[in-house]
Amino acid sequence: EPEVTQTPSHQVTQMGQEVILRCVPISNHLYFYWYRQILGQKVEFLVSFYNNEISEKSEIFDDQFSVERPDGSNFTLKIRSTKLEDSAMYFCASSGYRFRLTYEQYFGPGTRLTVT
Amino acid sequence: GQQLNQSPQSMFIQEGEDVSMNCTSSSIFNTWLWYKQEPGEGPVLLIALYKAGELTSNGRLTAQFGITRKDSFLNISASIPSDVGIYFCAGVMDSNYQLIWGAGTKLIIKP
Repeated sequence: EPEVTQTPSHQVTQMGQEVILRCVPISNHLYFYWYRQILGQKVEFLVSFYNNEISEKSEIFDDQFSVERPDGSNFTLKIRSTKLEDSAMYFCASSGYRFRLTYEQYFGPGTRLTVT
Repeated sequence: GQQLNQSPQSMFIQEGEDVSMNCTSSSIFNTWLWYKQEPGEGPVLLIALYKAGELTSNGRLTAQFGITRKDSFLNISASIPSDVGIYFCAGVMDSNYQLIWGAGTKLIIKP
């Protein structure tokens, strides 16, 4: 069964450093998302991406964040200058192109980002 | 912003018991999704609901889209140890594709 994959599974970085989190969405999906989840808390929406551009973003997704689909398979989230409060689990998700399946988002296993 | 109130926050049950949880909102949603998350993993989609009043099952799980479109319910019958995890509801409003998430219901099965 097709699945969303994410790398790395765990990333440790120092405050102020740039990080890139990578995702390979399900191959026939056209909508891509990034979420984060701080330990023990709810899942928070960051950004959605369709047709090579951001379709929506939350207040969390400020100028320090950017997303890119550099080729036909990868979808990346970049944090330019990490802060301690960026420490969280980051999830990539994707959904399909047919009307109904657009709402059914499938999640990857996540990347745990630790900023020290 | 929009909020979903999910309850209960946690449940301690005996194996074999039935489980009920729900999500409510003051806003109308056109889609309800239920996910399960286990420690260290991503949310896994369990059930999707698209029409008010819709009742959908996935094995021992049954979810309903409330008739007012402001709530949804998830029931698990005859719970087993592998049901342990956090269950999240998520709603989609008419205006966009963004998922609005509940805070989760943590299911714990007493030995």
